[in-house]
Amino acid sequence: DIQMTQSPSSLSASVGDRITITCRAGQSISTYLNWYQHQPGKAPKLLIYGASNLQTGVPSRFSGSGSGTDFTLIIRSLQPEDFATYYCRESYSTRGTFGGGTKVEIK
Amino acid sequence: EVQLVESGGGLVQPGGSLRLSCAASGFTFSSYSMNWVRQAPGKGLEWISHIFISSSAIYYAHTVKGRFTISRDNARNSLYLQMNSLRDEDTAVYYCARTYPFKVPSGAYYAMDVWGQGTTVTVSS
Repeated sequence: DIQMTQSPSSLSASVGDRITITCRAGQSISTYLNWYQHQPGKAPKLLIYGASNLQTGVPSRFSGSGSGTDFTLIIRSLQPEDFATYYCRESYSTRGTFGGGTKVEIK
Repeated sequence: EVQLVESGGGLVQPGGSLRLSCAASGFTFSSYSMNWVRQAPGKGLEWISHIFISSSAIYYAHTVKGRFTISRDNARNSLYLQMNSLRDEDTAVYYCARTYPFKVPSGAYYAMDVWGQGTTVTVSS
C-alpha cells in the first residue's frame, strides 16, 4: 500500500489567514491525488481531484498543486466554514490510502 | 437530488455480525463504482472496500479482508457491507461513497464525489 503522510497534523489559524497543508506519497503517484474536507457530523466533501482540479461548487479560495510525491492544499483567506479536518487520498492504486488528516482549528 | 443513505448500524458484541446498506437515489447507480469508508472515534478516514459497476472487481483493505464482504444490487440501487467476526477496532462511523470518473484529455481521475451521512457501528460487550 502507498503511504500518505500529511503535515501538519493540526494547525490554528484565524479568519482571513492563508494556510498550507502538505501531503507526501511514499512513491510517485503522478497527479492521482484528491483532497477532502470533513466536518464533525457531516459527510466528507470532495474539494480537489487530480491534484489541482477544483470540484464543482468549491470556492476558488481552495487550490491544489503538486505531482509525483509532493502535494499542497492552500486555502486563501480562511472562512469560518473552513474549520474542519482535511485529508488527502491517492487514487493511483485500487486501495487508495488516505493521509492522516490535518485539523484546522480557530486560533 | 443525488443522495446516498446508509442504514443498518448498531451495537454488536465482539465476534458478531452486522449488515450495512446504502440506498442510492438521484443518479444511475448501476453506472458507478462504489466504496465503503469508515472513521473510528478520534481517528482519520479509512477506505475499506470498493466494488466495480458490475461487481466484476472487488477490493478490500487489509484490515477487513476475509471478514467483510461488499456487494451491490443494481436493480435495487443498493450497496451492502456484510461484516463478520467484528472486533472492537471496527467501531466506527461507516460511509458509503460513489466513485466518479472525472474525464480529462489524458484519461480520467477517479474520486469519491458523493457521500452518505454515515451509520454508526459499535462493537462492544
